[in-house]
Amino acid sequence: AQTVTQSQPEMSVQEAETVTLSCTYDTSESDYYLFWYKQPPSRQMILVIRQEAYKQQNATENRFSVNFQKAAKSFSLKISDSQLGDAAMYFCAYREGNTPLVFGKGTRLSVIA
Amino acid sequence: NAGVTQTPKFQVLKTGQSMTLQCAQDMNHNSMYWYRQDPGMGLRLIYYSASEGTTDKGEVPNGYNVSRLNKREFSLRLESAAPSQTSVYFCASIREGYTEAFFGQGTRLTVV
Repeated sequence: AQTVTQSQPEMSVQEAETVTLSCTYDTSESDYYLFWYKQPPSRQMILVIRQEAYKQQNATENRFSVNFQKAAKSFSLKISDSQLGDAAMYFCAYREGNTPLVFGKGTRLSVIA
Repeated sequence: NAGVTQTPKFQVLKTGQSMTLQCAQDMNHNSMYWYRQDPGMGLRLIYYSASEGTTDKGEVPNGYNVSRLNKREFSLRLESAAPSQTSVYFCASIREGYTEAFFGQGTRLTVV
């Protein structure tokens, strides 16, 4: 079964600084999708960014970008110009075909004013 | 559109009681999922339904049953609640051919 590993249970960043959250995954497939979800204290699951494995270009969404290293099976999330509203749990997730999403254990991000 | 709606938002049960968590989506999605979220464990798949009339076990199905009542609704039943089932439960749905999952707002369940 595919597995997703987030090795940083907690991270902190100063407001306006940049932080990178790590994610690695294990798969034998060549075509799949990777996601980062944000979960604020409200519990809502919010899709931050999505990456298709067949695309070499790293996805970006405003202040959020990924570093996708397919050969290394690594998918890190970079948050630039961190804001207080970025404080949340962040989950890395994997999906291939029509199978269910597989999640990592999450990284809790604190933003220090 | 309401998206994915879960009821209830909060629930306290006594050990041995039963209850059903309801989930409905109004986006005509084929696939629906139930996850549980525990501290330090991420979201783990309980059951899923790839289409109306089908259900499959996920990673942690023990102690749960599901019903895909129709295309809109996918319910999760705890027949005899145990303290180990204290968790936050999420329902999600995905449209066929797409990748983005839509989540409900979650149900915080406490079993005492």
